[in-house]
Amino acid sequence: QKEVEQNSGPLSVPEGAIASLNCTYSDRGSQSFFWYRQYSGKSPELIMSIYSNGDKEDGRFTAQLNKASQYVSLLIRDSQPSDSATYLCAVGGGYNKLIFGAGTRLAVHP
Amino acid sequence: GAVVSQHPSRVICKSGTSVKIECRSLDFQATTMFWYRQFPKKSLMLMATSNEGSKATYEQGVEKDKFLINHASLTLSTLTVTSAHPEDSSFYICSARPGLAFDEQFFGPGTRLTVL
Repeated sequence: QKEVEQNSGPLSVPEGAIASLNCTYSDRGSQSFFWYRQYSGKSPELIMSIYSNGDKEDGRFTAQLNKASQYVSLLIRDSQPSDSATYLCAVGGGYNKLIFGAGTRLAVHP
Repeated sequence: GAVVSQHPSRVICKSGTSVKIECRSLDFQATTMFWYRQFPKKSLMLMATSNEGSKATYEQGVEKDKFLINHASLTLSTLTVTSAHPEDSSFYICSARPGLAFDEQFFGPGTRLTVL
């Protein structure tokens, strides 16, 4: 059974701080990794994808991948109250499917 | 780019009726589309995977005769919840996968189904 694990949170950070979200996965053969943001009552929105070891930056977001440790993270710099949402980690599961974690709820307080 | 629409956004129906939900990729052709459901404060649950012109592949525990999926074209997939019951009330979300090389999926806005 392929699994993706995330801390459910809530992760509470002050406005302007760095939020660090973590995810581990069980399938060592996974090749694709994604972070989705989901606001309450809305559908997930893709914010980052990463396919190779190292860091990938896009604006205030940085995704980090370590395949040896089977670990992927998302850093959000200069966190804003509008970043408050649930962040879903997803890993390519083969057969075109994504395996989703349960999500980490982030709360950014002014 | 990579916009997925879903219709209707909200539906309320009586127990025993059937409800059809449409999912369209607006600016790309989707090699594969997916249907998920999500209960309040729970994670996404994949129901089925569909490829254009072929039968959908259902996840274990999902009744294929209850949740009918038709993938008529590279831009349209439909989910029909047949003989809906209150326990089918949920948030149904489709996603579409545009590429052959990578697994990224783009989600529609979702359909909130309430069965009375």
